[in-house]
Amino acid sequence: KAGVTQTPRYLIKTRGQQVTLSCSPISGHRSVSWYQQTPGQGLQFLFEYFSETQRNKGNFPGRFSGRQFSNSRSEMNVSTLELGDSALYLCASSYTPGQGFTDTQYFGPGTRLTVL
Amino acid sequence: AQSVTQLGSHVSVSEGALVLLRCNYSSSVPPYLFWYVQYPNQGLQLLLKYTTGATLVKGINGFEAEFKKSETSFHLTKPSAHMSDAAEYFCAVSIIQGAQKLVFGQGTRLTINP
Repeated sequence: KAGVTQTPRYLIKTRGQQVTLSCSPISGHRSVSWYQQTPGQGLQFLFEYFSETQRNKGNFPGRFSGRQFSNSRSEMNVSTLELGDSALYLCASSYTPGQGFTDTQYFGPGTRLTVL
Repeated sequence: AQSVTQLGSHVSVSEGALVLLRCNYSSSVPPYLFWYVQYPNQGLQLLLKYTTGATLVKGINGFEAEFKKSETSFHLTKPSAHMSDAAEYFCAVSIIQGAQKLVFGQGTRLTINP
């Protein structure tokens, strides 16, 4: 099976712009989670989507949003970019057969976002 | 709140020596525990995981970890380091049942000396 794919791999934006990142999960996986990785804060959970619904959310401002499509592909959007949004954004997918089950997350290669 | 502490942001060992990366967690409920490895410019790769059952868990590339509830620890070991083991290692915990949300430690960068 193909792994988790993320596009684009690299992105350069300027402050105030918005950006959309895409994630395609492993075939058959229904849950997609997003994480932000920075040198200062490490890996932090952004949100999780399951069956097109946001199921969990981390402690990030409303400028960070996401969605999931019926084929389980997910996008995240960051509006009004700030310098501090520069980070590696990682997407992870898991099979998750149903509610109440914690499954292994498999990560994509990430999208490196640089905000100038 | 749940948390994960990795002792030592940098660990350096000689090739062939024992690798020991330390991880402690805080949780009031039984956790699921994971170790991931990250090579430069790549995502995270799962090394091993503990959910329930046997407390000694074997993973890929010769790594293993032991869950010790009394010590709230999940240390990662490998008997003999290889140059290819040089990478950053992350310990993570999932505590909320049914939530695909991981809380990560700050990471430990492993350097292998020839």
